Amino acid sequence: DVKVTQSSRYLVKRTGEKVFLECVQDMDHENMFWYRQDPGLGLRLIYFSYDVKMKEKGDIPEGYSVSREKKERFSLILESASTNQTSMYLCASSDQGAKGYIQYFGAGTRLSVL
Amino acid sequence: AQKVTQAQTEISVVEKEDVTLDCVYETRDTTYYLFWYKQPPSGELVFLIRRNSFDEQNEISGRYSWNFQKSTSSFNFTITASQVVDSAVYFCALSASNTGNQFYFGTGTSLTVIP
Repeated sequence: DVKVTQSSRYLVKRTGEKVFLECVQDMDHENMFWYRQDPGLGLRLIYFSYDVKMKEKGDIPEGYSVSREKKERFSLILESASTNQTSMYLCASSDQGAKGYIQYFGAGTRLSVL
Repeated sequence: AQKVTQAQTEISVVEKEDVTLDCVYETRDTTYYLFWYKQPPSGELVFLIRRNSFDEQNEISGRYSWNFQKSTSSFNFTITASQVVDSAVYFCALSASNTGNQFYFGTGTSLTVIP
């Protein structure tokens, strides 16, 4: 089974802090994704990566950055957390190759910024 | 542009009733994939089905069935004889050929099955 692991289920941070959300997958997938989920808005793509050291902006990249130094790990960084970044963050991974490959998700990190 | 609409925000049914979750999509691509995911209270999105644009056959898996109609750009999901364990948020998603692996999600439908 594909396993996508997010390092924390719950995080509480203060405004202005630098926040790291970590995601690790164990299926040697090329593609990795970060989404945020908010009530009434569904899932919105923040950043994604097709390969090590590569990254692409999604629909809402402002206020976020990412890092992919190893194939299995994709980190989301909030350089200076703000209250409007309070949300559920979901990581996913998928195979390269034929488009439309299934994305597998982690359990999510619920971040509260006070 | 790609878009997925799930007009039903919340649905409640009594156990053993059938329920259909609607999904309407928009894309100009001729090659695309449609997906359904289930998000139980634990939070993790669980993959249920993938359908490509060239395959309009309906699919049945146990109590779950999917009806794909290109003529109406819909990919609806029916749960037969619902159970309490079906209570979750269900998401429909679209992936089109010109956007690679990027998914476009609907806003989700929250299903509550009342015992």
